[in-house]
Amino acid sequence: ETGVTQSPTHLIKTRGQQVTLRCSSQSGHNTVSWYQQALGQGPQFIFQYYREEENGRGNFPPRFSGLQFPNYSSELNVNALELDDSALYLCASSQYATGEEEAFFGQGTRLTVV
Amino acid sequence: SQQGEEDPQALSIQEGENATMNCSYKTSINNLQWYRQNSGRGLVHLILIRSNEREKHSGRLRVTLDTSKKSSSLLITASRAADTASYFCATTGAGSYQLTFGKGTKLSVIP
Repeated sequence: ETGVTQSPTHLIKTRGQQVTLRCSSQSGHNTVSWYQQALGQGPQFIFQYYREEENGRGNFPPRFSGLQFPNYSSELNVNALELDDSALYLCASSQYATGEEEAFFGQGTRLTVV
Repeated sequence: SQQGEEDPQALSIQEGENATMNCSYKTSINNLQWYRQNSGRGLVHLILIRSNEREKHSGRLRVTLDTSKKSSSLLITASRAADTASYFCATTGAGSYQLTFGKGTKLSVIP
C-alpha cells in the first residue's frame, strides 16, 4: 500500500456526461500527477499539480481539467465524455515536482463510458 | 505518446528462472524508473537509475542503463510466482517531471 487513495474504484458513465475522480496524496507530498491508461497500453501523463497550481500538461484536450486543494488532495474532471475516455485513471503523488524521485501510485479508478 | 518500448511484450518462465526485460527510449533522459503493475491496478515503484549511473541493484532486481544505446534492462533473479505482473519502464527528461511510460512487458512465472 502506497498511502495514495483514489475514489471511486469503478465508475460507469454515459457518453456526454461529466465525471469527477478523486485522489488523496501520501502524507507530506505536495505534488500530484494524473495518468490515463488504456487497455494494453502504458500510462499517459495528463497533468501535474504542485502546491495547488497546474505545473504541466500532457497532450489532452481542455475538457480534462483538475484541481488541487490546500491539503494536497486532487480531483480530475472530464467533461463531455467520449467512448475513448474509457480507461484506468491513475493518480501519483511525490514529495517534489522534480521527477527525480519515485512516484507513489494509487490503485486507480476504472472508468467505463457507454 | 510513448517514449519507451519494452521488449519482449510478453514473457513466460518457470519459477526459479531469471527474467530479463529490455527498454529502449528515444530522447535524452534525466532518469529511468521501472514499475510493476498487478492485474491492471496501481503501479509499484521498483527502482530508479539516474542518467550518470550504469548499474543498480535492489534485492533480486538488477537494472542496467546504457545511455549511448538509449536502452535499459531489468533482470529479476530466481523468479517467483508472485513476480507475475506487467513491468513498465518510465523516463523523465532533463528539466521535465512527467513520467513517460512504455507499453510494458507482461511476465508470467509458472509455479
